[in-house]
Amino acid sequence: EADIYQTPRYLVIGTGKKITLECSQTMGHDKMYWYQQDPGMELHLIHYSYGVNSTEKGDLSSESTVSRIRTEHFPLTLESARPSHTSQYLCASSVRGLNSPLHFGNGTRLTVT
Amino acid sequence: DAKTTQPPSMDCAEGRAANLPCNHSTISGNEYVYWYRQIHSQGPQYIIHGLKNNETNEMASLIITEDRKSSTLILPHATLRDTAVYYCIVRVSNFGNEKLTFGTGTRLTIIP
Repeated sequence: EADIYQTPRYLVIGTGKKITLECSQTMGHDKMYWYQQDPGMELHLIHYSYGVNSTEKGDLSSESTVSRIRTEHFPLTLESARPSHTSQYLCASSVRGLNSPLHFGNGTRLTVT
Repeated sequence: DAKTTQPPSMDCAEGRAANLPCNHSTISGNEYVYWYRQIHSQGPQYIIHGLKNNETNEMASLIITEDRKSSTLILPHATLRDTAVYYCIVRVSNFGNEKLTFGTGTRLTIIP
């Protein structure tokens, strides 16, 4: 069973605030991902990482940043939250290689008022 | 990037086999087909994946056509807990980078 944790589970915050969404995994996976998903819509890749000190932009990476200082930790930061950031944010991890499935956390549902 | 096409919704009677189709006509030779599902308000759950041979695990079977342009996920004895959105994904590799592109999936409803 995958062990990947996201906090907080729900967050309501005002416009202009800086927020950090936490993601941790205990499986020692090298690769980690952040996806954004609106209700009933497809997932969009925001950022991903191949390992410590590696970060890459996905298709929807503007206005957010990530860091990978430790293997198990991959936080996502929004410097200035806006209502357009209201969405569900999903973190995932996997081992290296094409033949490795992603394991997802249960997400953070963010509402910016 | 190889795209996938799935029907937006399907129904299946409880206890019957659920067969979910997926078209991926532009798939290239080294791309795998992955299936995930997502139950409301949870993160996607990995189900199964394959390259060109049929695959089976404790959750499902995956049938890939010989030309690899389409595949079918089979849930052999569907239960109410299988109600979810099912995503068929082709894994993209670009200069050693990898990412999964999720579409809108098939909403499967298991009917009692």
